[in-house]
Amino acid sequence: KQEVTQIPAALSVPEGENLVLNCSFTDSAIYNLQWFRQDPGKGLTSLLLIQSSQREQTSGRLNASLDKSSGRSTLYIAASQPGDSATYLCAVKDDYKLSFGAGTTVTVRA
Amino acid sequence: GAGVSQTPSNKVTEKGKYVELRCDPISGHTALYWYRQSLGQGPEFLIYFQGTGAADDSGLPNDRFFAVRPEGSVSTLKIQRTERGDSAVYLCASSLDPSYEQYFGPGTRLTVT
Repeated sequence: KQEVTQIPAALSVPEGENLVLNCSFTDSAIYNLQWFRQDPGKGLTSLLLIQSSQREQTSGRLNASLDKSSGRSTLYIAASQPGDSATYLCAVKDDYKLSFGAGTTVTVRA
Repeated sequence: GAGVSQTPSNKVTEKGKYVELRCDPISGHTALYWYRQSLGQGPEFLIYFQGTGAADDSGLPNDRFFAVRPEGSVSTLKIQRTERGDSAVYLCASSLDPSYEQYFGPGTRLTVT
């Protein structure tokens, strides 16, 4: 069974600092990996999707890397802003179902 | 275009009651998924439909849970004899087919008192 772990569980940084969020998974036979954002009481917003054949994906201030062989992904958020405060979830896909980590809750202090 | 919609957004029910949660996927998406998210946890897979049939229901916790998708579009998750431990956010997602990205609805928050 795929196990997905996210470290740290929570993170608080001052505005302007870069954020580094980690995700690890136990089974490297994945189809793709996806990073989501979840605001309190809301659904999931997809941020980045990395196919298993890719090493990284970028969108604006966000960059995600994938090392499938070691079972790791890292989400980098540059120059954090208070609006980046949310819970970030990573999920790995095998065939069709997503397996999620518990998330990292980020607080960006103004 | 319209995204995945779920109704109701909130549902409060008493222990032992029956509830139905509805999911309207994106038009044309053949694959539909249900996940459950407990407080402080990531979503957990419940069931996957390809068309009208449940291709994988291995995530349903017990036989009180059942889901249908009779016409290959709207799906209903049904929970009998609800228990307080069923309280969670139930998320629905759909995709063009299983190899494509899943798009999530806003979820239904179920509270069992």
